[in-house]
Amino acid sequence: AQKVTQAQTEISVVEKEDVTLDCVYETRDTTYYLFWYKQPPSGELVFLIRRNSFDEQNEISGRYSWNFQKSTSSFNFTITASQVVDSAVYFCALSDTANAGGTSYGKLTFGQGTILTVHP
Amino acid sequence: GAGVSQSPSNKVTEKGKDVELRCDPISGHTALYWYRQSLGQGLEFLIYFQGNSAPDKSGLPSDRFSAERTGGSVSTLTIQRTQQEDSAVYLCASSAKRPGQGINEQFFGPGTRLTVL
Repeated sequence: AQKVTQAQTEISVVEKEDVTLDCVYETRDTTYYLFWYKQPPSGELVFLIRRNSFDEQNEISGRYSWNFQKSTSSFNFTITASQVVDSAVYFCALSDTANAGGTSYGKLTFGQGTILTVHP
Repeated sequence: GAGVSQSPSNKVTEKGKDVELRCDPISGHTALYWYRQSLGQGLEFLIYFQGNSAPDKSGLPSDRFSAERTGGSVSTLTIQRTQQEDSAVYLCASSAKRPGQGINEQFFGPGTRLTVL
């Protein structure tokens, strides 16, 4: 069975601090996909990144960066120079390549989420 | 283009009543998913549609829950004889299906907050 663990329930930082959100996953599959989503107070889940299991390159997008390490089954997310607008709940999710009805699809298993609060 | 839309945004109902929740996916997205978000259980998968068929219904919690999709577009999640434990936010997501690209990201709607009194 798949599992995603986000050990940090809540993180509180002051603006301009760097913050790293941890994500550890479990799967028996060799092909799988990892995602991060942001859920601001408005409630809508916003897609941030998708990574497949064969691509271990780290990725940077503006102030966001992601560190994928298969050896430790981790996919951590770092926000550099945090801002108040980064305050949200962040979810890490895992999908294998499930098959049904003749097609592959992504059934997401989510972590419990990390509540990030950035204070001015 | 428009994102995923859901209606109603909020629904308050009495225990034992039936409710219908609607999802309009992003145009052209053939894959559609329903999830449920509750305080106790977090985010849980309910059902997956590819076109109008639902090859994976494994997350539906009981036979009181059903869903359909018509015209490869709009989907309706129906909960019969609602119970208080059904109170949650019901999220719909859609995804493009592009050959050779593996599993693509899912785009979520704003959700329907269901409260069962």
